[in-house]
Amino acid sequence: KAGVTQTPRYLIKTRGQQVTLSCSPISGHRSVSWYQQTPGQGLQFLFEYFSETQRNKGNFPGRFSGRQFSNSRSEMNVSTLELGDSALYLCASSLGEPYNEQFFGPGTRLTVL
Amino acid sequence: GNSVTQMEGPVTLSEEAFLTINCTYTATGYPSLFWYVQYPGEGLQLLLKATKADDKGSNKGFEATYRKETTSFHLEKGSVQVSDSAVYFCALHSPNFGNEKLTFGTGTRLTIIP
Repeated sequence: KAGVTQTPRYLIKTRGQQVTLSCSPISGHRSVSWYQQTPGQGLQFLFEYFSETQRNKGNFPGRFSGRQFSNSRSEMNVSTLELGDSALYLCASSLGEPYNEQFFGPGTRLTVL
Repeated sequence: GNSVTQMEGPVTLSEEAFLTINCTYTATGYPSLFWYVQYPGEGLQLLLKATKADDKGSNKGFEATYRKETTSFHLEKGSVQVSDSAVYFCALHSPNFGNEKLTFGTGTRLTIIP
């Protein structure tokens, strides 16, 4: 079974731009969660989607948004990029109900210049 | 709210040494507890888990016991190898349906020298 895939793996953007990251979960998984990993803040929960609905949201500004499609693939978008948005963005998928093990993708490394 | 406090790193050990990485947590109810490992350039891999008090999770020679009385889930390995060099994260999940959120500790970087 294929694992969680994230594209692109690396991105370089400049301040003020916007970016879209993609995550394809394991086949059959309906829950997709996003996390931001930085050296200073560690792993921080962004949001979780289940069956195309956002179920839970972390403490991030509205510039961070996401969505999930009917095939469970998910995208997250960051608008008006700031230098502090430079991070590794990790996606995790799980069956969703009841709680099951989360499987993580390799991440997208975003650098904002 | 939920929180995880993890042993500060980095930790450097010689091959075949005994490893302990401390993890304590604060949570309401009865959370599930996890250890994840992150190798350079990769995402997180689940190393082991425990879902109730006194459960022992184990995998690849690593062990951790869910201690409710001390709210701890310390990671141990009897004899580490160079290939164990990685960053280790302790995490918890609160048992609320409709919520997949994991709360992570800050991570402990482990380096094993031959």
